[in-house]
Amino acid sequence: KQEVTQIPAALSVPEGENLVLNCSFTDSAIYNLQWFRQDPGKGLTSLLLIQSSQREQTSGRLNASLDKSSGRSTLYIAASQPGDSATYLCAVKRQAGTALIFGKGTTLSVSS
Amino acid sequence: NAGVTQTPKFRVLKTGQSMTLLCAQDMNHEYMYWYRQDPGMGLRLIHYSVGEGTTAKGEVPDGYNVSRLKKQNFLLGLESAAPSQTSVYFCASSYRQGQFWPQHFGDGTRLSIL
Repeated sequence: KQEVTQIPAALSVPEGENLVLNCSFTDSAIYNLQWFRQDPGKGLTSLLLIQSSQREQTSGRLNASLDKSSGRSTLYIAASQPGDSATYLCAVKRQAGTALIFGKGTTLSVSS
Repeated sequence: NAGVTQTPKFRVLKTGQSMTLLCAQDMNHEYMYWYRQDPGMGLRLIHYSVGEGTTAKGEVPDGYNVSRLKKQNFLLGLESAAPSQTSVYFCASSYRQGQFWPQHFGDGTRLSIL
């Protein structure tokens, strides 16, 4: 059974720091991995999708990497800003099914 | 761009009442999904649809029914609401299955069962 774990559960940093969020999964047979952002009381916003054949994807200050063999992905946020404060969710799509399997998220707080 | 729209945004029900949650997407996506989000549990798939007129069970389908009569709409029904169904419900859609296609989510419906 695929399980997705995100560490740490919460993270507080001062504005301007570069930071890394971690995601690990137990079954390497995945179609893709998505990183989402969720603001309090809001829906999920897709940030990046990494296909199983890719190693990384970049969008602005965000860079996500994927290492299928070790079952890990990282989301790197450069020069963090207070507006980056949110919960970040990692989800994998199994090859054998249609569901996204979600981690429980990392709640990020960036102070000014 | 509307994307995925969920109605209602909030609802309070009494145990035993029924209701229907509506999801509409304007992206011509084939696949649609219903998830629930609970504290400490993450998001879990309830039901999904791979096209108009088709539905399938997800991880936690008990107590829910769904219908996909039109390609753009996916309805989630609670026939007899229970307090355990208090949750935030998210609808999502994707163009296809497979590694190239991300899932796009609505803003959620916050449902409380008293």
